[in-house]
Amino acid sequence: DSGVTQTPKHLITATGQRVTLRCSPRSGDLSVYWYQQSLDQGLQFLIQYYNGEERAKGNILERFSAQQFPDLHSELNLSSLELGDSALYFCASSPHQSGTGNEQFFGPGTRLTVL
Amino acid sequence: GQQVMQIPQYQHVQEGEDFTTYCNSSTTLSNIQWYKQRPGGHPVFLIQLVKSGEVKKQKRLTFQFGEAKKNSSLHITATQTTDVGTYFCASNTGKLIFGQGTTLQVKP
Repeated sequence: DSGVTQTPKHLITATGQRVTLRCSPRSGDLSVYWYQQSLDQGLQFLIQYYNGEERAKGNILERFSAQQFPDLHSELNLSSLELGDSALYFCASSPHQSGTGNEQFFGPGTRLTVL
Repeated sequence: GQQVMQIPQYQHVQEGEDFTTYCNSSTTLSNIQWYKQRPGGHPVFLIQLVKSGEVKKQKRLTFQFGEAKKNSSLHITATQTTDVGTYFCASNTGKLIFGQGTTLQVKP
C-alpha cells in the first residue's frame, strides 16, 4: 500500500459525459501528479500540482482539467468524453516541489471505460 | 521533448533463466528511475540511478546507468514467478517520462 488513495476504482460512462476522479496523496506529500495509461500510448504524464498550484503540464487535453484543494487532495475532471479516453488514470504523490530525482508513489488507479 | 525508448516489449522466460530490459535516450539523462507494475497493479518504485556508470544491486536485480548517461539496463538473475510484471524505466525531470515498458512472463 503506497498510502495514495484514488476513487472510484472503476468508472463506466457514455461518450459526451463528464466524470471526476479523486486522489488523496500520502500524508505530508505536497505534490500530486496525474498519469494516463492506455495500451497504445503507455504511461503518459498529464499534470502536476504542488501545494495547490499547477506546476507542470504534459499531454493533457483541453477537455481535461485538474485542481488541488487546500487539504491537498486532487481531482481530475474529464469532460466531453470520447471512446479513446478509456484508460487507467493514476495519481502519484511526492513530498517535493520539483520532483526531479524523487521517487513518486502511485495510487491504485481509476479504470475509466467510455462506451 | 525527451523520449525514452525501451526494449524488448515482451519477454517470456523459463523460471531460472535470466532477463534483461534496456532503455535508451537520444539525450543525456539527469537520472533514470525503474518501476515495476504487477498485473492489475500500479507502478512501484524500484531504484534511481544518477551517476555515470553507476551500478546498483537489489538481490537478484542489477541496475546499470551508462557512462554517457543515455542508456540504462535492468538485469534479473534466475527469474522467479514473482518477477512477473511490466518493468518501466523513467526519466524524472519533475514529471516522469516513461519508457514503453517490458512485460516479463515467467513459465514455472
